[in-house]
Amino acid sequence: GEDVEQSLFLSVREGDSSVINCTYTDSSSTYLYWYKQEPGAGLQLLTYIFSNMDMKQDQRLTVLLNKKDKHLSLRIADTQTGDSAIYFCAENVRTGANNLFFGTGTRLTVIP
Amino acid sequence: DTAVSQTPKYLVTQMGNDKSIKCEQNLGHDTMYWYKQDSKKFLKIMFSYNNKELIINETVPNRFSPKSPDKAHLNLHINSLELGDSAVYFCASSHEGSLPEAFFGQGTRLTVV
Repeated sequence: GEDVEQSLFLSVREGDSSVINCTYTDSSSTYLYWYKQEPGAGLQLLTYIFSNMDMKQDQRLTVLLNKKDKHLSLRIADTQTGDSAIYFCAENVRTGANNLFFGTGTRLTVIP
Repeated sequence: DTAVSQTPKYLVTQMGNDKSIKCEQNLGHDTMYWYKQDSKKFLKIMFSYNNKELIINETVPNRFSPKSPDKAHLNLHINSLELGDSAVYFCASSHEGSLPEAFFGQGTRLTVV
């Protein structure tokens, strides 16, 4: 079955870069996503990458995709305290309809 | 205007009770989902509905039943609630198309006592 894995915790100092990693299993995924969940809130789509791309940059966010290794990463440049949250990667799996499977989430803590 | 709205936001109930969580989306999406997020923040898909048809059910106990009266609503009914059902339940919707971006509700925190 589908499986998406992430490390559970990451701590960085304010101003440093953060890199959150994710591995997935379904090679037929068309899109891969990064969602952010702030405390007590729902999931917010941060960015996504199409499976035929290697990299996507969006302001402070850089997404890297290694399709051969099924590895996805999210780099946050100049990390701020407001970036503290849980970050989920997700892959879409076409089983009759587009379904999203999420990773376990990585809790990012930014130290002032 | 809220894109995906769930009610209630908080729900505290006793074991053995039956409860429902409602979800509505005003985005014109054709697929809706229910996800369960446990205390460790794992997010697992429970159901998805596409054009009023159940597409996937990920080993969810049959005490849980999704009900979709129309394309804009997907309600979650839970019978005989158990302590282990305590979690945050998220509703989401997406469009079947070139970009299946899912929009999420704010979540319903269910506590079974």
